[in-house]
Formats: sequence, C-alpha cells, structure tokens
Amino acid sequence: QLQESGPGLLKPSETLSLTCTVSGGSISSSNYYWGWIRQPPGKGLEWVGTIYYSGSTYYNPSLKSRVTISVDTSKNQFSLNLTSVAAADTAVYYCARLIDVVVGDHWGQGTLVTVSS
Amino acid sequence: EMVMTQSPATLSMSPGERATLSCRASQSVSSNLAWYQQKPGQAPRLLIYGASTRATGIPARFSGSGSGTEFTLTISSLQSEDFAIYYCQQYNNWPPGSFGQGTKLEIK
Repeated sequence: QLQESGPGLLKPSETLSLTCTVSGGSISSSNYYWGWIRQPPGKGLEWVGTIYYSGSTYYNPSLKSRVTISVDTSKNQFSLNLTSVAAADTAVYYCARLIDVVVGDHWGQGTLVTVSS
Repeated sequence: EMVMTQSPATLSMSPGERATLSCRASQSVSSNLAWYQQKPGQAPRLLIYGASTRATGIPARFSGSGSGTEFTLTISSLQSEDFAIYYCQQYNNWPPGSFGQGTKLEIK
C-alpha cells in the first residue's frame, strides 16, 4: 500500500512537500521504481518524476527546475518537493510504485493540493 | 515532444457490447504502451502494459493490441463496472512518460 501525506493548501510561491509511505513491501526492492503523478481537477494525468531506491531520479522536463524527489529507505518513504508553486500546480498528487520507470502498477489514493492566495 | 492522442473522447455503449478504444502516438513507441482505468474519485488502475500484457488481476475481457504508433484497448463484453475513463501512456521515450487525454466510456 501507498499513502500520501502533506499539506492540502498552499499559497503561490510556497513549496509543496508531500511524503509517500510504503507498506507491505520494501522500497529497497530492486524490481521497482517509485514516483509521483498528478492530475489537475477534471483533467488528465501528468507524470512528475521517479526515484529508484539507490537515489537515481528522473524528472518531467517541464517541471525539472522546480522538482526534487528523495527517498528514505529507513522509513520506507519517498518525498516530493515542488518549489514556487502557482495555481497551475493545483492537482491531486498520486504516489505510485512504478515498473519500467514510469508505469504505475500500484497507486496511493491521492491527495488534493490546492494553491490559492 | 511525444504526443498521445486518444479517440474517441467519449464512447457511449451498453452493457454486453464490445468496446474498442484507440490510442495513437506521434512517433513510434514500439510496444511500450500502457492502459489505465480510472473511476471517479479513485486512483488509476493499470490494466495493460507492453501493449498487450494484462496486469495482475485484470479480467480477460480486457485486451490490448498494436505496436509502433497505433494501439487498441478492447473490452469484449462491457460490465457495469467498466464504465470509466481510460488513459494510454507511452514509456518508450521518457522523460516524460506522456499520457493521452483519456476516453470516457459512458453508459448509453
């Protein structure tokens, strides 16, 4: 199972910080990657980025300058930081276990993050 | 930039019918194509990867086909629980693993 946690309301220019806690399996498995996908209300899906347990990361080029994904294997968690948020970053953020780097085969329930002044 | 185009945007069908959903890539993605199902208020669920391999626990009525730039998701006999939005995703050219805009499968 995967569970997202973090603030649901941010002001423009703030930093979005979310954590995904993985249970029922080890984040250090060599078989999987871990990542974040977002979905603006009423719109489609956008891959944000991926991390491997070793710390290797892959980011969406459209967000790369603002995104950092990190992993804490001791806590079986990985985290997303997105700086300088704007209204366009309002979305449901999902964490997911990934195969082939970007394909989500298990997803968290998602958490809505709203950016509003 | 890789663009994934799904058609139709909305498909109105009745239970028991056969549904065919299409996904087209702007350039070849080989067989690196996944399909997801999403119901309102829920996370997406992986149905198909590798263009034609069903994910764990996915019923046999779901099948995927295609390679290169043209892909199809077929639901052989629609059940009530199949009415949802379906997304394709390419993972041949990443980052990013770009998604299509979705096809809404609704009850006629």
